[in-house]
Amino acid sequence: QKEVEQNSGPLSVPEGAIASLNCTYSDRVSQSFFWYRQYSGKSPELIMSIYSNGDKEDGRFTAQLNKASQYVSLLIRDSQPSDSATYLCAVILNTGFQKLVFGTGTRLLVSP
Amino acid sequence: GAVVSQHPSWVICKSGTSVKIECRSLDFQATTMFWYRQFPKQSLMLMATSNEGSKATYEQGVEKDKFLINHASLTLSTLTVTSAHPEDSSFYICSARKQGNTGELFFGEGSRLTVL
Repeated sequence: QKEVEQNSGPLSVPEGAIASLNCTYSDRVSQSFFWYRQYSGKSPELIMSIYSNGDKEDGRFTAQLNKASQYVSLLIRDSQPSDSATYLCAVILNTGFQKLVFGTGTRLLVSP
Repeated sequence: GAVVSQHPSWVICKSGTSVKIECRSLDFQATTMFWYRQFPKQSLMLMATSNEGSKATYEQGVEKDKFLINHASLTLSTLTVTSAHPEDSSFYICSARKQGNTGELFFGEGSRLTVL
């Protein structure tokens, strides 16, 4: 089983809709979870971090964490064409170096 | 704050040569830096963990003699791809964690290596 799993997509949504991105992880004791956005040819940029069960909102973005189900999600409200990118779920493993490992990423396409 | 700079941003080299990529934390000290590699349409794969003043820890399947990592100071880590071959062509990205912090990583801009 991969440490972090995501559906590769593409996930296509119309402009203004809600995009829902999902991620599961295998390390039951992980405590830190992140969503990154990556445009083609660029380095990933951090969108959200979440550490506690429940929802965390920041502008149009809401991260949701369910540690019992080992599940993390990202909701993007009022999706814009500029949101089209690959969204990477990342988890810090509970190892000595606190390594950050990534899922394969979900490609989001927002059509005008 | 929390800026990580990589250099060069892109490099083209001939097969068999060695290439060095630098990763610098510009406004903070980083005891730990991580090196990732990303092939087209794939995710970031962790190559190694670089610790200041000690040997790097490599992930399974990554050749330590081919990918030399040096972390000589709290603000600089280098990755040297030795005897590069076309299959080493990839996007190499470093990240750094602030000293004393166990959370967020800050990423460099990435270095695109093309081996002819």
